[in-house]
Amino acid sequence: NAGVMQNPRHLVRRRGQEARLRCSPMKGHSHVYWYRQLPEEGLKFMVYLQKENIIDESGMPKERFSAEFPKEGPSILRIQQVVRGDSAAYFCASSPPGTRYEQYFGPGTRLTVT
Amino acid sequence: EDQVTQSPEALRLQEGESSSLNCSYTVSGLRGLFWYRQDPGKGPEFLFTLYSAGEEKEKERLKATLTKKESFLHITAPKPEDSATYLCAVLRRGYGGSQGNLIFGKGTKLSVKP
Repeated sequence: NAGVMQNPRHLVRRRGQEARLRCSPMKGHSHVYWYRQLPEEGLKFMVYLQKENIIDESGMPKERFSAEFPKEGPSILRIQQVVRGDSAAYFCASSPPGTRYEQYFGPGTRLTVT
Repeated sequence: EDQVTQSPEALRLQEGESSSLNCSYTVSGLRGLFWYRQDPGKGPEFLFTLYSAGEEKEKERLKATLTKKESFLHITAPKPEDSATYLCAVLRRGYGGSQGNLIFGKGTKLSVKP
């Protein structure tokens, strides 16, 4: 059973460009979460999605950031007009439906803004 | 404010020298406490879930315990391959009664020397 998959693993963008990060959850998992890890900081929650629904986006910056989890295909985290402060590791996690709350993480996408 | 604090920030042990990592938390509506292991450049790897005070879980040289205010990760006779950052996270109740987001501590960086 494949784990959570994220791509690309490394992404370099110039200031002002757009970054698109993709996440495919584990088979059978219907919940997707995005977290950001800044250097020397802990993991911070960004957004929680189910298929075609944003359940909780309380951790998302108000501007430039958006996320989706369409009926078909991976979840996408989109960052428009990137700035140097967006440089970080972005992790996706997934969990199964029901009462088991374990979240399983992918390998992350390391975004560098030059 | 919901908060997770891990101590110590860093811990150096000799191979075979047992010790404990601490995770103290303040959160309303705790749904579960999680321990993860993170190796450099990788995503967090799930270790344990604890749901109620008094609960204990074991896996190889690791044992996690939970009280009403803190959790301990005991490492018995560690080996160099146990070197990693250990993360503690709590899950609080999410919006609409659904699964919520994880609140992470900053981690304890463990180094085990042969």
